[in-house]
Amino acid sequence: QSALTQPASVSGSPGQSITISCIGGTNDIGTYNHVSWYQHHPGKAPKLLIFDVSVRPSGVSNRFSGSKSGNTASLTISGLQAEDEADYHCSSYTPRSTPVVFGGGTRLTVL
Amino acid sequence: QVQLQQSGPGLVRPSQTLSLTCSLSGGSISSGDYYWSWLRQTPGKGLEWIGYIYSSGATHYPPSLKSRLLISLDTSKNQFSLNLSSVTAADTAVYYCARAPAEIYLHFDSWGQGTLVTVSS
Repeated sequence: QSALTQPASVSGSPGQSITISCIGGTNDIGTYNHVSWYQHHPGKAPKLLIFDVSVRPSGVSNRFSGSKSGNTASLTISGLQAEDEADYHCSSYTPRSTPVVFGGGTRLTVL
Repeated sequence: QVQLQQSGPGLVRPSQTLSLTCSLSGGSISSGDYYWSWLRQTPGKGLEWIGYIYSSGATHYPPSLKSRLLISLDTSKNQFSLNLSSVTAADTAVYYCARAPAEIYLHFDSWGQGTLVTVSS
């Protein structure tokens, strides 16, 4: 069981927008603005999409955006494209002996 | 451009030691700007951080693995390694090496391609 809770799957049609949620608690997402999101095409190296809740690394499309409200972080993908079909993982800093925790991952299907 | 290339066996016998290596190109493992990290994803579950090493050689492991885990640096080869001893079936996972900027709030900006390691006799 993962420390952060994500939906197992989401889907959308090309051109639509989708949002993936990541639910934590007061000891991680709720207190700290250090949430990251990763895109993972199976068999390839995961890719950092967002860090510090809403910061995009250089080279990441602005179709990807992050936000946070209370204990829940969200990743929104706008203008869905076929290439966005992948697994998405969230993580958060936590002030414990294990300094980063992850969600269980969400499989995005582009219909 | 930074690239991390993993190598190591895909099958390990129970009670033996799992050993993987991550070779860095496009940068220096001696850079004080990063934590060189290992993570894993067990079948059907989310990612799990399993430790990192800094350029000074300082390491940080989760309590659950601390007694079995060793992460080391080889600056002459520009690579870092993972050794996990006394493995069981529960250690079967895809293992990833990754780079994290050296700050308290870990995020991983470069990853290896992953190595599926199966623990089985």
